[in-house]
Amino acid sequence: GENVEQHPSTLSVQEGDSAVIKCTYSDSASNYFPWYKQELGKRPQLIIDIRSNVGEKKDQRIAVTLNKTAKHFSLHITETQPEDSAVYFCAASQENAGNMLTFGGGTRLMVKP
Amino acid sequence: EAGVAQSPRYKIIEKRQSVAFWCNPISGHATLYWYQQILGQGPKLLIQFQNNGVVDDSQLPKDRFSAERLKGVDSTLKIQPAKLEDSAVYLCASSLVTGPTYEQYFGPGTRLTVT
Repeated sequence: GENVEQHPSTLSVQEGDSAVIKCTYSDSASNYFPWYKQELGKRPQLIIDIRSNVGEKKDQRIAVTLNKTAKHFSLHITETQPEDSAVYFCAASQENAGNMLTFGGGTRLMVKP
Repeated sequence: EAGVAQSPRYKIIEKRQSVAFWCNPISGHATLYWYQQILGQGPKLLIQFQNNGVVDDSQLPKDRFSAERLKGVDSTLKIQPAKLEDSAVYLCASSLVTGPTYEQYFGPGTRLTVT
């Protein structure tokens, strides 16, 4: 089955700096990669996703890149703000193979004001 | 629209006891998922329903865990008997249709502590 590894497990940045979180996956058949944000004590919420037919996707201050050959994808947050502090999870799945997301272990991002 | 509802929000039980969790998905969402999230880890899928049928339960410990979605709407997840390692947050999620590109909406979760 799919295995997703996520690094780093914790990340501390100064407000206004950029943050990068990286994930690798094992199953070359995976072709959908969402990112979820989970604030303390709250439910995970989808913030951005990417499919394997594109290499990059942006939404305001967040972007995701995908390298299918190397089987890794990354989340980039620019101009970080204190409200970006949360745990971020990457996930991978195969389209048309059910909606079975395999999650990474999570990255705790702390943005210091 | 109303979100995914779960109850109870917290539960403390002793090992070998039984416990049940309830989930009400977003209205009209055909697909329902139960995840187990152990502290410090990402959610792990336990079971996936499409309407009232099971799509995948390969990671459900069937000797102690069971789940049902009899009328294709609400769902219950049961653990009997509970073990210490079952301590986790149990998240229910739903999506409009099956397929990974349809966003999964998560409920607030039930935090289970087994002592």
